[in-house]
Amino acid sequence: DQQVKQNSPSLSVQEGRISILNCDYTNSMFDYFLWYKKYPAEGPTFLISISSIKDKNEDGRFTVFLNKSAKHLSLHIVPSQPGDSAVYFCAVNKFYFGSGTKLNVKP
Amino acid sequence: NAGVTQTPKFRVLKTGQSMTLLCAQDMNHEYMYWYRQDPGMGLRLIHYSVGEGTTAKGEVPDGYNVSRLKKQNFLLGLESAAPSQTSVYFCASSYGGTATARYGYTFGSGTRLTVV
Repeated sequence: DQQVKQNSPSLSVQEGRISILNCDYTNSMFDYFLWYKKYPAEGPTFLISISSIKDKNEDGRFTVFLNKSAKHLSLHIVPSQPGDSAVYFCAVNKFYFGSGTKLNVKP
Repeated sequence: NAGVTQTPKFRVLKTGQSMTLLCAQDMNHEYMYWYRQDPGMGLRLIHYSVGEGTTAKGEVPDGYNVSRLKKQNFLLGLESAAPSQTSVYFCASSYGGTATARYGYTFGSGTRLTVV
């Protein structure tokens, strides 16, 4: 069973608009959550994380929101830029990764 | 500062052949991991290590073995390759514990393995 699910394989957004990537998890005992960004032919790179004791963490254009009651987290990118086009993975502390969402930001 | 280095970057194996993938990190990280990435499956943990001389199984360990004789190196072995092991393999390292939550993993650039 997948512990972490990203139900949208792809997302297309216009430059300057908001990108919202979503992730659901199954285990309420997970205590921190991370987002990674991956370009083709490269390894994932760490983007931002959030602890289960918080509901929001912000870093520049990137904000992660955590809804523990719904077991849901989301990554907001505002404003989106063409360089943000990549695959985004959510992950939880017990080594589990989602299947990724491919973001395409159109100029 | 090289970070995490994986060798080789590409390899084609015949069914039944063996090989070793090497991962080296220069960040003094305690934890190291091997993942495989398959289309639609995301990243799945094969094996991991929480320190020199220790290893543990992840989600998909069958058909693989690992060793961590030195803190900076983590080797992944395929004893008898099968077509189902065709994948992209990523090595990663981290500080471990709660520091992982703050800094995440550092990944290598991957090894693309094809088993024919």
